[in-house]
Amino acid sequence: DVKVTQSSRYLVKRTGEKVFLECVQDMDHENMFWYRQDPGLGLRLIYFSYDVKMKEKGDIPEGYSVSREKKERFSLILESASTNQTSMYLCASSLSGAQETQYFGPGTRLLVL
Amino acid sequence: QKEVEQNSGPLSVPEGAIASLNCTYSDRGSQSFFWYRQYSGKSPELIMFIYSNGDKEDGRFTAQLNKASQYVSLLIRDSQPSDSATYLCAVPFGSGYALNFGKGTSLLVTP
Repeated sequence: DVKVTQSSRYLVKRTGEKVFLECVQDMDHENMFWYRQDPGLGLRLIYFSYDVKMKEKGDIPEGYSVSREKKERFSLILESASTNQTSMYLCASSLSGAQETQYFGPGTRLLVL
Repeated sequence: QKEVEQNSGPLSVPEGAIASLNCTYSDRGSQSFFWYRQYSGKSPELIMFIYSNGDKEDGRFTAQLNKASQYVSLLIRDSQPSDSATYLCAVPFGSGYALNFGKGTSLLVTP
């Protein structure tokens, strides 16, 4: 079974703080993704990575950056957290190539005060 | 970006009935289609995917794809209260690595 884990289930941060969200997968997947999910807006892609040190912007990359130094780990960084970044953050991974099934981690619910 | 549209619901069906969930997409070049189920407070989990026109069955679930009409549907037979969840339709876009998700249809199965 694919296992995708995220470093925290719940996180509370202050406005202006630098926030790190970590995601680890154990199935040797090449592709990894970060989404945020908000009521009424659905799942929106922030960034994805198809290889180590490679990244592509998604729909809403502003205010975020990512890091992928190792194949199994994909980090999402909020450079200076703002209240409008309060959301559920979901990490996913998939095999290499296109059109592959994505497997999700449990999610991190982030509250920025 | 190409669009994936779903009726937000809620769709309410009695236990034992067939639930029918629909999804339309705008990109005629789309090749594969995914259905995910998401329970409240949980992350999405894959139910099934479909690549070819026609029907694909897996237990109580049937995915139906009509590329000419650009819609994909999910039928749930003998619906159970445990099927109450939000169902997300997803379609690859761009290079095909990433998925574009619909906003989901909320299903409520009443005992």
